[in-house]
Amino acid sequence: DAGVIQSPRHEVTEMGQEVTLRCKPISGHNSLFWYRQTMMRGLELLIYFNNNVPIDDSGMPEDRFSAKMPNASFSTLKIQPSEPRDSAVYFCASTFSSDTEAFFGQGTRLTVV
Amino acid sequence: GEDVEQSLFLSVREGDSSVINCTYTDSSSTYLYWYKQEPGAGLQLLTYIFSNMDMKQDQRLTVLLNKKDKHLSLRIADTQTGDSAIYFCAESGGSYIPTFGRGTSLIVHP
Repeated sequence: DAGVIQSPRHEVTEMGQEVTLRCKPISGHNSLFWYRQTMMRGLELLIYFNNNVPIDDSGMPEDRFSAKMPNASFSTLKIQPSEPRDSAVYFCASTFSSDTEAFFGQGTRLTVV
Repeated sequence: GEDVEQSLFLSVREGDSSVINCTYTDSSSTYLYWYKQEPGAGLQLLTYIFSNMDMKQDQRLTVLLNKKDKHLSLRIADTQTGDSAIYFCAESGGSYIPTFGRGTSLIVHP
């Protein structure tokens, strides 16, 4: 397996634009996480899916953020409208729910200007 | 305060031992982890320890857990320049959802 695949690796967008980040988890994994990493706040859990169902979205900052998982092999994180303070590295991770190790993607570096 | 705390920076000389410390608040933590993040990459699991263990050793890595004080440490013996990275402490309960510290940047200089 190629591991967790995220796209794009880098995204630069203007304030107010819609941004969509994509994630393909490892085949067979049934849990998926979206994290955001910034210098100020470290690594924050945004949302957690289990068997494609959002279980905990308490970390999603505000209504501008939404995440979907239409099937076991794909998830999106959307920001609409984007703001400069959304600039961060966004990581997707997946695991099998009873395993101890979460596997991370390479991340998407988002810059909102 | 934060759920998982660790110092932000550590600088060591090549060949010395590095010790990265972490404290956590959740007394029901089941697993405690150390992840490594190299520049431009995602996090990779280095090692983990069950909460009922005191110590785990894996080649150059030694993890010590003091459950009473909720203190976790990672010792890297014979630190090499390739060990330079950010090291994240994390804990999880039965849900296996890791909560991360802010990461310790390990800088190894010749």
